[in-house]
Amino acid sequence: EVQLVESGGGLVQPGRSLRLSCAASGFTFDDHGMHWVRQVPGKGLEWVSGISWDSGSIDYADSVRGRFTLSRDNARNSLYLQMNSLRAEDTALYYCVRDRGSAGISPFDHWGQGTLVTVSS
Amino acid sequence: EIVMTQSPATLSLSPGERATLSCRASQSLVTNLAWYQQKPGQAPRLLIYGASTRATGVPARFGGSGSGTEFTLTISSLQSEDVAVYYCQQYKDWPPLTFGGGTKVEIK
Repeated sequence: EVQLVESGGGLVQPGRSLRLSCAASGFTFDDHGMHWVRQVPGKGLEWVSGISWDSGSIDYADSVRGRFTLSRDNARNSLYLQMNSLRAEDTALYYCVRDRGSAGISPFDHWGQGTLVTVSS
Repeated sequence: EIVMTQSPATLSLSPGERATLSCRASQSLVTNLAWYQQKPGQAPRLLIYGASTRATGVPARFGGSGSGTEFTLTISSLQSEDVAVYYCQQYKDWPPLTFGGGTKVEIK
């Protein structure tokens, strides 16, 4: 069974940093691209960042480019999102998401349950 | 950026009725379009990809159609468990990968 378990969320002050992690199991991790998608409670879905199976292709939404860094460790079956210079508008539930393919531009066929990030003083 | 527009915002129907949800893209996606279902308190779930292919385990009452810029998700006979918000998403071009604003399906 495919499992994606996020961790690292919490309450953080504006301007500070947070690192999200996603532990993957139940599938061959390095066969798939991976993404983070966020959702403000009660609102819609926003793609944040995605990475190909070999980290050869990584990209970001304009709203986080230059502040967030996506990485993966295929040996540890893990995905990471380093979030710096956090703003109130980054407050959301962050989902770790599996790409159906390897390159990072396929449908999202498995989602974690999310980790909540709250940016507030 | 490809902009995705969904309509209507809310759909209220009786059990057994047919639900038709629309999604429009600002440029051609060919068939690089997915639909997701998000039930209250849950993570989204992939329903349809390639505009018309049902994902594993999705009931046959869910159907997708369309190509280019106009797409439709149809629920042939609405069940109480189908109450959810439905999102379309394009994966033709990134960055960014973009979602529509969602259609909330309610039972009358």
